[in-house]
Amino acid sequence: NAGVTQTPKFQVLKTGQSMTLQCAQDMNHEYMSWYRQDPGMGLRLIHYSVGAGITDQGEVPNGYNVSRSTTEDFPLRLLSAAPSQTSVYFCASSYSGGANEKLFFGSGTQLSVL
Amino acid sequence: KQEVTQIPAALSVPEGENLVLNCSFTDSAIYNLQWFRQDPGKGLTSLLLIQSSQREQTSGRLNASLDKSSGRSTLYIAASQPGDSATYLCAVRRDGNKLVFGAGTILRVKS
Repeated sequence: NAGVTQTPKFQVLKTGQSMTLQCAQDMNHEYMSWYRQDPGMGLRLIHYSVGAGITDQGEVPNGYNVSRSTTEDFPLRLLSAAPSQTSVYFCASSYSGGANEKLFFGSGTQLSVL
Repeated sequence: KQEVTQIPAALSVPEGENLVLNCSFTDSAIYNLQWFRQDPGKGLTSLLLIQSSQREQTSGRLNASLDKSSGRSTLYIAASQPGDSATYLCAVRRDGNKLVFGAGTILRVKS
């Protein structure tokens, strides 16, 4: 049971570098999302998708890009990393994004931007 | 803007004790409230989901209550065990696909 898989688990970047955080799910979920978790602030929604080809912004989208070309994958791109993007990133999915559906989370990517 | 607050930020109890974690939210117009568990280096696991029309949900030793009018939820853990040590987060769903999370309560159960 793979569930939601995130890679890499850890990453260190220099300011200005770009990278892509990968997220894949094998549960045929239509809804996928990205959160960041910062100390003392809880998780905040970055971007989400309700199906292939459909994405939308969450609470803190600036500095991040997403695309959804397949049902399984939802990568998060940092085009020019900044120290403020140092955080733990979580990908989460659910069947269709319905209000009373449980979210399934990946194990996270810890990102440090120097 | 919906804000979610969890008190206390950290809690340490001896094994076997019953305990209560608190969650408060500022806007009572919610679809549901969820409690999650987060273990170090791991993702979040959904524990209980209470719909806005419900007052409580139970799963094993866990019981979560919801009082929308006062903007409060509690998570009651009975007969705590060292394996219950984790961070517990509550989150409210207000509209669309967006959850608003609290910062969490770090629980340590001492053996």
